[in-house]
Amino acid sequence: KAGVTQTPRYLIKTRGQQVTLSCSPISGHRSVSWYQQTPGQGLQFLFEYFSETQRNKGNFPGRFSGRQFSNSRSEMNVSTLELGDSALYLCASKGNAGNNEQFFGPGTRLTVL
Amino acid sequence: GNSVTQMEGPVTLSEEAFLTINCTYTATGYPSLFWYVQYPGEGLQLLLKATKADDKGSNKGFEATYRKETTSFHLEKGSVQVSDSAVYFCALSDQRLTGGGNKLTFGTGTQLKVEL
Repeated sequence: KAGVTQTPRYLIKTRGQQVTLSCSPISGHRSVSWYQQTPGQGLQFLFEYFSETQRNKGNFPGRFSGRQFSNSRSEMNVSTLELGDSALYLCASKGNAGNNEQFFGPGTRLTVL
Repeated sequence: GNSVTQMEGPVTLSEEAFLTINCTYTATGYPSLFWYVQYPGEGLQLLLKATKADDKGSNKGFEATYRKETTSFHLEKGSVQVSDSAVYFCALSDQRLTGGGNKLTFGTGTQLKVEL
């Protein structure tokens, strides 16, 4: 079974631009969560999508948004990029059983110049 | 809110030494507890988990026991190898979110360096 895939793996943008990151969960998984990892703040929860609906949201500004498609693939968008948005963005998918294990993708490394 | 506290790193050990990485948590209710490992340039891999008090998670020689009385989930390994060098994250999952959602709260991570 293929794991969680994220594209692109690396991205360089400049301040003020916007960016879209993509995540394809494990086949059959309907829950997709996004996390931001930075040296200063560690791993922080952005949001979770389940069956195309945002189910939970972390404490990030409205510049961070996401969506999920009917095939469970998810995208997150960051508008008006700031230097502090430079981070590793990780996506995780979870199956539908009671088991609450989340499987992570390799991440997208975003650098904002 | 929920929080996870891990010991500061880096932790440097010689190969075959005993490893302990401390983790304590604050949470309401009965969270599930996890240890994730991150190798350089990669995402997170689940190392082990425990879903209720007194459960012991184990994998690849690593163990951790869910201690509700001390709100702890310390990671241990009897004999570390150079290949265990990585960053280790303790995390908890609170199932009691609106709509039954999933959110992991992570500790800050502990870097482990194992030398020959």
